[in-house]
Amino acid sequence: RKEVEQDPGPFNVPEGATVAFNCTYSNSASQSFFWYRQDCRKEPKLLMSVYSSGNEDGRFTAQLNRASQYISLLIRDSKLSDSATYLCVVKINTGGFKTIFGAGTRLFVKA
Amino acid sequence: DAGITQSPRHKVTETGTPVTLRCHQTENHRYMYWYRQDPGHGLRLIHYSYGVKDTDKGEVSDGYSVSRSKTEDFLLTLESATSSQTSVYFCAISEGGGSSYNEQFFGPGTRLTVL
Repeated sequence: RKEVEQDPGPFNVPEGATVAFNCTYSNSASQSFFWYRQDCRKEPKLLMSVYSSGNEDGRFTAQLNRASQYISLLIRDSKLSDSATYLCVVKINTGGFKTIFGAGTRLFVKA
Repeated sequence: DAGITQSPRHKVTETGTPVTLRCHQTENHRYMYWYRQDPGHGLRLIHYSYGVKDTDKGEVSDGYSVSRSKTEDFLLTLESATSSQTSVYFCAISEGGGSSYNEQFFGPGTRLTVL
């Protein structure tokens, strides 16, 4: 079983739609959580960190559920420019920190 | 954008040849990382460095070696390239590795094809 699992998609949604992605993690020593965005043939870039109480950045909302070991990303009012692959990232406390990347969920937003 | 460059950006080589990829940063960050990215897999850590001449293995280090003689440069060498090493290679940097919320910044990637 992979340590971080994501639905690969693709998710195809119209502009203006709300879309949600989930990511599950298996290691209970997972300590911090992030969503990165990766455009086609580009490098990953941090979208947002995920805090225990949940957090919002404009149209993006991230939530953490430690009991069920998953994090989610909600995108409201989707724009064409949101089309990308969204990577779930988990840092595990192993004494130091081990960073595990999910394989990503691909989103296509269409006009 | 963080000042990270990778060279070359694209390379085609033959099985059995040595290949060196270079990562250069202008941010003076302590930590540097080499990842590979393949379809169906997340980014997988090859090696990382926590200072000049201080390096350690990641989860997929077999067939790779690294060197860091200066803060700004981190080299990845494929000692004898194989077709399984065809991949996109990303370098990343971070200010620290010990804090759980240290962001990693990525270079633009190197697309390597081994024939």
